[in-house]
Amino acid sequence: EDQVTQSPEALRLQEGESSSLNCSYTVSGLRGLFWYRQDPGKGPEFLFTLYSAGEEKEKERLKATLTKKESFLHITAPKPEDSATYLCAVQVHSGGSNYKLTFGKGTLLTVNP
Amino acid sequence: ETGVTQTPRHLVMGMTNKKSLKCEQHLGHNAMYWYKQSAKKPLELMFVYSLEERVENNSVPSRFSPECPNSSHLFLHLHTLQPEDSALYLCASSQVQALGNIQYFGAGTRLSVL
Repeated sequence: EDQVTQSPEALRLQEGESSSLNCSYTVSGLRGLFWYRQDPGKGPEFLFTLYSAGEEKEKERLKATLTKKESFLHITAPKPEDSATYLCAVQVHSGGSNYKLTFGKGTLLTVNP
Repeated sequence: ETGVTQTPRHLVMGMTNKKSLKCEQHLGHNAMYWYKQSAKKPLELMFVYSLEERVENNSVPSRFSPECPNSSHLFLHLHTLQPEDSALYLCASSQVQALGNIQYFGAGTRLSVL
């Protein structure tokens, strides 16, 4: 069974204090790894897709990296507006020409001013 | 109107009521999804429609009934729900259900079953 585990469940940082969120996965045939951001009362918002080990993508203060077993979301000098729940999802083949996403439980990030 | 729109945003219903959730996408996509998001649990995929054909039904109880009349609209019909069905129901759309295609989400309907 495909599994996605995110850690920590919650992370509290001071503004400017860099850190990383982890997403480890056990899947049969990873096709892609997705990161989303979810604000309270809103749906998930797409951030990045990574396809192969060693790949990195950046957006503002966020950088996502991928290995064969896990992905990291590095947050450099975070600001209070980076506070949100960060979701990781793996894309796997679900039969025929179809693919599906399996999500982790998310990491709730709080950045204090 | 842009993106993925879900209505209503909040819904309170009794266990004997019948209600429907609506989702509309303005992105020109041709695959649509229903997810359930409960506290402390990962998003659970419920149904997938690709080119208006249901391609996935993840062992969802029959008290949830999806309908996809065209590629822009998706409904979730609810009847005789249980309190444990209280959750955030999210709709998403993508350009077919294919490798690398990004799913875009609506804001969700917060459902409370009394």
